[in-house]
Amino acid sequence: GENVEQHPSTLSVQEGDSAVIKCTYSDSASNYFPWYKQELGKGPQLIIDIRSNVGEKKDQRIAVTLNKTAKHFSLHITETQPEDSAVYFCAAAYTGKLIFGQGTTLQVKP
Amino acid sequence: KAGVTQTPRYLIKTRGQQVTLSCSPISGHRSVSWYQQTPGQGLQFLFEYFSETQRNKGNFPGRFSGRQFSNSRSEMNVSTLELGDSALYLCASSLNQPAPDTQYFGPGTRLTVL
Repeated sequence: GENVEQHPSTLSVQEGDSAVIKCTYSDSASNYFPWYKQELGKGPQLIIDIRSNVGEKKDQRIAVTLNKTAKHFSLHITETQPEDSAVYFCAAAYTGKLIFGQGTTLQVKP
Repeated sequence: KAGVTQTPRYLIKTRGQQVTLSCSPISGHRSVSWYQQTPGQGLQFLFEYFSETQRNKGNFPGRFSGRQFSNSRSEMNVSTLELGDSALYLCASSLNQPAPDTQYFGPGTRLTVL
């Protein structure tokens, strides 16, 4: 069935270091992959997304890469800051619905 | 432009009761999706509405239902509440579906079932 696996579940880095979160999806028909950031008490906020016709997309300190052959995609955050601390979710779009990974709690230590 | 709004933000109900949650999408957005978020199951898709029609449905029992009005506002209803229904219920809106489209989430309604 439709499934998205996300790793790691927790990630702790020093301020200024890079953070990488990886996801694998099961259905090759999926063609849209958003990433969301969720802070305590708030709804998920879209931070970047990528479509299947693109291999990489970058927005300032955030980048996403997609490997359709291997069915995995990754989020890269460079020069991390304490305000990057949150839960990050990857998702894959299947015919109008999003299937989410289990989330990664990122802690950036000052 | 105002974001997705959800009311109420918090609800406490007892088992057996029913509850209605409301969602107002971003102006101009015609698609509304609902998700349930729990610590154990994560974010799970409930259903999606477009132009007052349910176009997609997740694997939830019939106690969970929804509807969409002509102004794109949506409501979801849960009947005969169970303890396991305690969760954060999130609404997301997008311009158009099912073509993969960016979904913007509201702050959610925190439902506690006692």
